[in-house]
Amino acid sequence: KQEVTQIPAALSVPEGENLVLNCSFTDSAIYNLQWFRQDPGKGLTSLLLIQSSQREQTSGRLNASLDKSSGRSTLYIAASQPGDSATYLCALSHSGTYKYIFGTGTRLKVLA
Amino acid sequence: GAVVSQHPSWVICKSGTSVKIECRSLDFQATTMFWYRQFPKQSLMLMATSNEGSKATYEQGVEKDKFLINHASLTLSTLTVTSAHPEDSSFYICSARRGAVNSPLHFGNGTRLTVT
Repeated sequence: KQEVTQIPAALSVPEGENLVLNCSFTDSAIYNLQWFRQDPGKGLTSLLLIQSSQREQTSGRLNASLDKSSGRSTLYIAASQPGDSATYLCALSHSGTYKYIFGTGTRLKVLA
Repeated sequence: GAVVSQHPSWVICKSGTSVKIECRSLDFQATTMFWYRQFPKQSLMLMATSNEGSKATYEQGVEKDKFLINHASLTLSTLTVTSAHPEDSSFYICSARRGAVNSPLHFGNGTRLTVT
């Protein structure tokens, strides 16, 4: 059974810092991996999608990497801003079923 | 871009009543939609996969008779919580994939259900 863990569970940093969020998974048979942002009481906003054949994706200040062999993905946020404060979720699409399994989430707070 | 609309955004109902939540793909056809449930400060748990024109596939532990899913068209899936109880209070979110299986998921804004 696929298990997806995100570390840390919560993170508080001063504005301007570069930071890394981690996502670990136990089954490398994935189709793709997607990073999402969720604001309190809201739905999900897709940030980056990495196909299983890719190593990384970049969008603005965000960079996501994927290492299937080690079962890890990281989301790098450069020059963090208070507006980045949210919960960040990674989700994996299983190769066989294409179902998305979500990680446990990281609650990020960027202090002004 | 692709947009998934979910309605209502919040609902309060009395115990024993049924509540229907709609999920629409506004600018694309979705043969498959997914329904998730999220408890406070927890991650999303997949409840069921909704397939247009056929029965939904439920995850283990999800009562199919309690959470009725109907995917009658390529742009609409509905989740009905039947005989709701306070423990059904949660945040329900639907999602749809636009295009091939390797395309990203798009999510609705969720429905906050409170059962009193």
